[in-house]
Amino acid sequence: AQSVTQPDIHITVSEGASLELRCNYSYGATPYLFWYVQSPGQGLQLLLKYFSGDTLVQGIKGFEAEFKRSQSSFNLRKPSVHWSDAAEYFCAVGFMNTGFQKLVFGTGTRLLVSP
Amino acid sequence: EPEVTQTPSHQVTQMGQEVILRCVPISNHLYFYWYRQILGQKVEFLVSFYNNEISEKSEIFDDQFSVERPDGSNFTLKIRSTKLEDSAMYFCASSEDAGQGSEQYFGPGTRLTVT
Repeated sequence: AQSVTQPDIHITVSEGASLELRCNYSYGATPYLFWYVQSPGQGLQLLLKYFSGDTLVQGIKGFEAEFKRSQSSFNLRKPSVHWSDAAEYFCAVGFMNTGFQKLVFGTGTRLLVSP
Repeated sequence: EPEVTQTPSHQVTQMGQEVILRCVPISNHLYFYWYRQILGQKVEFLVSFYNNEISEKSEIFDDQFSVERPDGSNFTLKIRSTKLEDSAMYFCASSEDAGQGSEQYFGPGTRLTVT
């Protein structure tokens, strides 16, 4: 069955330091993978997505993610974190069953940014 | 930028009462979704809706739940007789299409507390 695992519930990073948020997926076919961010009081905002082509995808706000099929991973990275990046980050796989995509999410990783 | 809106932001209700959660999807979108997140757990798919019909529902979406698009702009989720375990954050989403890899746009959520 399809599933997404985000092993880190909380991560604290110093402002200006690099960030990597882990995501592992289980999916039988070619995965369509997404990273969403949720800031307090806001909806889930799409950062980036992957479904084919270059395994390193660029997103908004300076984020990127790398798809590694051999590791079933889609980790999110940012070279230099800003205080405004503090939020909850969700990895998701797009799953087709009835001809309509539904998203299967991980539990999320809460990012805290220290001064 | 167009966005999905949800009202109310927080709803408190007593067990056994009916609640209606409201969403206004992005105006040119045709596909609508409800997801929920119980505190500390994953964001879970509840239902997708297209052309005034449910296209898919999860096993969570039992007879106590219903969805409706009562007019050209609103999309509602009704819980007929709430239970304690219905306490969660409910997210509405919409999309222009529903193929794999399509982007779903999420609202900020309604926090439902059942006492």
